[in-house]
Amino acid sequence: SQKIEQNSEALNIQEGKTATLTCNYTNYSPAYLQWYRQDPGRGPVFLLLIRENEKEKRKERLKVTFDTTLKQSLFHITASQPADSATYLCAGPTGGFKTIFGAGTRLFVKA
Amino acid sequence: NAGVTQTPKFQVLKTGQSMTLQCAQDMNHNSMYWYRQDPGMGLRLIYYSASEGTTDKGEVPNGYNVSRLNKREFSLRLESAAPSQTSVYFCASSPGETGTYEQYFGPGTRLTVT
Repeated sequence: SQKIEQNSEALNIQEGKTATLTCNYTNYSPAYLQWYRQDPGRGPVFLLLIRENEKEKRKERLKVTFDTTLKQSLFHITASQPADSATYLCAGPTGGFKTIFGAGTRLFVKA
Repeated sequence: NAGVTQTPKFQVLKTGQSMTLQCAQDMNHNSMYWYRQDPGMGLRLIYYSASEGTTDKGEVPNGYNVSRLNKREFSLRLESAAPSQTSVYFCASSPGETGTYEQYFGPGTRLTVT
């Protein structure tokens, strides 16, 4: 079955460093991938979408890559801040307007 | 512009009781979704409505029913609640047009079934 997998271990980094989160997909070839941010007790918030023919996409301090050979997307936050601490979800389409989500990676940024 | 709203925020049910979770969006979106989120399992799609008047099963539909009341509202009903349905439920909407895929989520309903 189609799967989106993210590292379940939390990522701890120091303020000012670059955080890199990984999303791997298996058993299908998504036309695009999305990244969402989720804070505790709240719903996910859309951040970025990258299409399969786009190698890289940027938005302010965020950068996403899409490698169809490795079947992987990387999500980078440069100059990270404590306010970036949250869970980040990767998601991909599965037909029609349906979407599957990874379980998310928790990011902690220490001051 | 409230976005996606959900009621109630919290609910405790006894096994066998029924309830309806309400969701409304004010963004004129065509598509609406119900997900459940359990620790370590991510968001799983229960039901979705690609457009007003249509509903379809997602990954985990058993034990649930939905109604797309109009373009704004999409409700989720548990007819006979079971402890396995203890979860956080999120409603989401998206424009539902080719090229626009991002989803907008409500604040969630935390449901406990004892």
